[in-house]
Amino acid sequence: QSALTQPASVSGSPGQSITISCTGTSSDVGGYSYVSWYQQHPGKAPKLMIYEVSNRPSGVPDRFSGSKSGNTASLTISGLQAADEADYYCSSYTSSSTRVFGGGTKVTVL
Amino acid sequence: QVQLVESGGSTVQPGRSLRLSCAASAFTFSRHGMHWVRQAPGKGLEWVAVISYDGSDKYYADSVKGRFTISRDNSKNTLYLQMNSLRAEDTAIYYCAKDRLAVPIIDYWGQGTLVTVSS
Repeated sequence: QSALTQPASVSGSPGQSITISCTGTSSDVGGYSYVSWYQQHPGKAPKLMIYEVSNRPSGVPDRFSGSKSGNTASLTISGLQAADEADYYCSSYTSSSTRVFGGGTKVTVL
Repeated sequence: QVQLVESGGSTVQPGRSLRLSCAASAFTFSRHGMHWVRQAPGKGLEWVAVISYDGSDKYYADSVKGRFTISRDNSKNTLYLQMNSLRAEDTAIYYCAKDRLAVPIIDYWGQGTLVTVSS
């Protein structure tokens, strides 16, 4: 049950695009479409931003998009805004019917 | 609006036990898989356990297997986590979370309850 691998931090200027990667194995990210992304502001509960690799829940801006290639999933934030500054976590279903999270990525808006 | 309200968190000594509860409302609790996820102070999210909609299937993280037990009472719309043999490394905010209907994706989280294990 090793955590998925995410960069510790990513930064960008307002209006720019950033991409966060999430690398797992064929037993989790690469084996299923059940990859999700969560946004967490300090002191708050996580919020679902992307589910099943690339789907957005209602209310999530279309500036957020997801994709997957092989064992690596990605979250892209376009038109970066100050409100996007937060921690982001990826998660995947696994072949053991468990779940696994990434270590988290701190997004900083410069 | 989906509501998940955790309770039961407190400060306990190493080796002792604690039971967390999560009261669910505004969705059909008996149709959704449910999880416990924890977050140590200043650290990332760690998945702890999941229980199927009817309680027939349960899975645990290796770090808690044999010490923690997840359960549910669909008549009371409540999820539980029995934590035994607590260790300092179990100190964390414990979140209750629900799966999307028939899909293994967490879509809603509670606000969490803090468990501190310290002598």
